[in-house]
Amino acid sequence: NAGVTQTPKFQVLKTGQSMTLQCAQDMNHNSMYWYRQDPGMGLRLIYYSASEGTTDKGEVPNGYNVSRLNKREFSLRLESAAPSQTSVYFCASSSEGLARMTEKLFFGSGTQLSVL
Amino acid sequence: KNEVEQSPQNLTAQEGEFITINCSYSVGISALHWLQQHPGGGIVSLFMLSSGKKKHGRLIATINIQEKHSSLHITASHPRDSAVYICAVSDYGGSQGNLIFGKGTKLSVKP
Repeated sequence: NAGVTQTPKFQVLKTGQSMTLQCAQDMNHNSMYWYRQDPGMGLRLIYYSASEGTTDKGEVPNGYNVSRLNKREFSLRLESAAPSQTSVYFCASSSEGLARMTEKLFFGSGTQLSVL
Repeated sequence: KNEVEQSPQNLTAQEGEFITINCSYSVGISALHWLQQHPGGGIVSLFMLSSGKKKHGRLIATINIQEKHSSLHITASHPRDSAVYICAVSDYGGSQGNLIFGKGTKLSVKP
């Protein structure tokens, strides 16, 4: 019953450091997403993957890269972290894509990232 | 102008009260989602609806497509209902990847 597993839960980086956020789902979902949540703002899409082997930019992709390693795993990489990337990051998955979908989204527990 | 507006932003209620949270949107949608974010940060999907009304336990979600408006009702509220409730819409003309999220309504239910 794991659902969407996201690691790490907390991370502190110095400006310029790199890191990868890991996400895995065990529901055989086709679509996976990375969102960021900032105070006073709604969740914003960074990147998504409609299916294994494909990735697309979302609303705020700058400074991030992603890899859809296989159907289960979708990672988010910060190559050179900046203070503006301090945020809470959520991975999510759904059976199908979100436009015209009738499926629920399933979220990971979030990663609180601070960039000093 | 925000495409998804929620009201109120903050809501404090006494245990047992009937609660309504509103969501208005400006785009054509294929579906509307209500999410609950717990104080610990986790997000759970409560409802996905494209018409009419859905009920789950003490929670009821309604949508009026013509008026571009949805409401989330909580009957007999309880302190464990304290959370941030988020409305999000699937933009019919949007990409496969994106929901448009409201900023959330923070609900606090006092015993």
